[in-house]
Amino acid sequence: EPEVTQTPSHQVTQMGQEVILRCVPISNHLYFYWYRQILGQKVEFLVSFYNNEISEKSEIFDDQFSVERPDGSNFTLKIRSTKLEDSAMYFCASTMGRRGILNTEAFFGQGTRLTVV
Amino acid sequence: AQTVTQSQPEMSVQEAETVTLSCTYDTSENNYYLFWYKQPPSRQMILVIRQEAYKQQNATENRFSVNFQKAAKSFSLKISDSQLGDTAMYFCALEGAQKLVFGQGTRLTINP
Repeated sequence: EPEVTQTPSHQVTQMGQEVILRCVPISNHLYFYWYRQILGQKVEFLVSFYNNEISEKSEIFDDQFSVERPDGSNFTLKIRSTKLEDSAMYFCASTMGRRGILNTEAFFGQGTRLTVV
Repeated sequence: AQTVTQSQPEMSVQEAETVTLSCTYDTSENNYYLFWYKQPPSRQMILVIRQEAYKQQNATENRFSVNFQKAAKSFSLKISDSQLGDTAMYFCALEGAQKLVFGQGTRLTINP
């Protein structure tokens, strides 16, 4: 069964450092997403990405965040200068298509636990 | 704005019992999708069941079924014959535009 793969599973970084979280979406999917879950809280949308550009982003996704699809398979989330409050579980997800057109079931990766110290 | 509310932070039942998790939502869209996701201790997000708003028939997946009340904007999850492996956080989610909006989650514990 196809799956979304995220690496690393856990990353510890010092405050102020840059981190890159990596995701390999399902190969025939077209829409890619990053979500964040601070421990004990709900899952929050960060950004969606389609056709090599950001489709939508939340208030959380400020100038410190960026996304990229550097090749045909990887989808990355970069945090330029991490803050303590960036500590969270980060989930990548992908869907085949848009709502109402194609199957929109979102497949999630297993998450990357980011700890900023 | 689209919102999802889960009013039960925690629930606990005995193995083999039936349990219902509540979810209400708000959206101005006429056509949308609703989902229940399970998040076990491993913290992976696993799709349990989905419902398309234009379908009146309630979705079922084995022991999992939903009670979708579109007019009331209610979308509850029923787990029948609960098993120890059902212990997890359960999130209700609404698919709006190009993103999922999640509820706060319900922590479900199945006791032996």
